[in-house]
Amino acid sequence: DAKTTQPTSMDCAEGRAANLPCNHSTISGNEYVYWYRQIHSQGPQYIIHGLKNNETNEMASLIITEDRKSSTLILPHATLRDTAVYYCIVRVNSGNTPLVFGKGTRLSVIA
Amino acid sequence: DSGVTQTPKHLITATGQRVTLRCSPRSGDLSVYWYQQSLDQGLQFLIQYYNGEERAKGNILERFSAQQFPDLHSELNLSSLELGDSALYFCASSVEGGEPYNEQFFGPGTRLTVL
Repeated sequence: DAKTTQPTSMDCAEGRAANLPCNHSTISGNEYVYWYRQIHSQGPQYIIHGLKNNETNEMASLIITEDRKSSTLILPHATLRDTAVYYCIVRVNSGNTPLVFGKGTRLSVIA
Repeated sequence: DSGVTQTPKHLITATGQRVTLRCSPRSGDLSVYWYQQSLDQGLQFLIQYYNGEERAKGNILERFSAQQFPDLHSELNLSSLELGDSALYFCASSVEGGEPYNEQFFGPGTRLTVL
């Protein structure tokens, strides 16, 4: 079972920042927070991951609270192409382990 | 384009039949994962292979089986198909190694429709 809780859906205006929250209150010390997204029925796409420090890449920023029980994915300037289901996943980073997907958040970016 | 290829894109078949889905991982990736996405169950992990050997098993039915060949491509075999097996089947691959190589790259999927 997924160890994360996310809102079912969110809307965001085009050009504004999209902030997607995720609760993972039972996260273990060796588990990372991963974010993937799935646009329509395409294969999921990796966005970003982190352990305890905030992370940023060309796609997004990841803010993890100090107690690591929750995190927020930030898309700084959302576009219509960012409309997708966003999945927050906790996972150990040692070796290659399967992803356990929850229901995710359906983000709709509105013009 | 993730570099992972899956064939066929669409498959329509009848109940009781058997089908084979094929996946070619990204060049150099040794791990292959199969996932099933249905409307009621969401995205579920089925099985993982690493360099030809089964590594992890998820919610895979006994009617389903998989293998990874020496050239690292993988096949998922689904037999005695039921209406409920209609779903999107995704293959993903990843490099074996530490950070930052634990990203999984997903293929475009095979849409299976069982009539």
